[in-house]
Amino acid sequence: SAVISQKPSRDICQRGTSLTIQCQVDSQVTMMFWYRQQPGQSLTLIATANQGSEATYESGFVIDKFPISRPNLTFSTLTVSNMSPEDSSIYLCSVTRGGAEAFFGQGTRLTVV
Amino acid sequence: GQQLNQSPQSMFIQEGEDVSMNCTSSSIFNTWLWYKQDPGEGPVLLIALYKAGELTSNGRLTAQFGITRKDSFLNISASIPSDVGIYFCAGTNTGNQFYFGTGTSLTVIP
Repeated sequence: SAVISQKPSRDICQRGTSLTIQCQVDSQVTMMFWYRQQPGQSLTLIATANQGSEATYESGFVIDKFPISRPNLTFSTLTVSNMSPEDSSIYLCSVTRGGAEAFFGQGTRLTVV
Repeated sequence: GQQLNQSPQSMFIQEGEDVSMNCTSSSIFNTWLWYKQDPGEGPVLLIALYKAGELTSNGRLTAQFGITRKDSFLNISASIPSDVGIYFCAGTNTGNQFYFGTGTSLTVIP
């Protein structure tokens, strides 16, 4: 498995502001992903974080709204920019170690008011 | 992206009962995964299946990789209150992309 620390665990933010979520893993991982999970729903992939290069975004998600960094093999950040109430959700970091098993952080519960 | 269909969507059972849920896909997968998500937490991996027809257990949990590679099943025996949560299936072929099920919400009544 992997020990994944995601910060903050929750936050309440004003609309129009931005929040940066951090994901730190205890050792090197192959893939890092960011998901959004709206209340009562399944997981939706936002993007794959690529080390040293631009993230690969899924349809419906853009870099200006969700900039992502991955400076090394154990750390990534997701920023939710210019927030609106529709961005209220759980944001999850997920990693793999070269195999077919994905592991998740504890999530960041974001409320935008 | 593709979303896998899970059923049932929710279950309310008495403590001690067995639980069965399944997950189906229109595409084949090389690996099936089952996760449990507690409120306010991230999903936790319960069982991973790598071969069609494989039956794997983890304590009171048993999961099977369907022979067609388009489905998987999870059984929980003798349910207890801490089994409460949302169970998600996931499929992957390369480990570079994962497709998640719609989730099954389990409530265990003491």
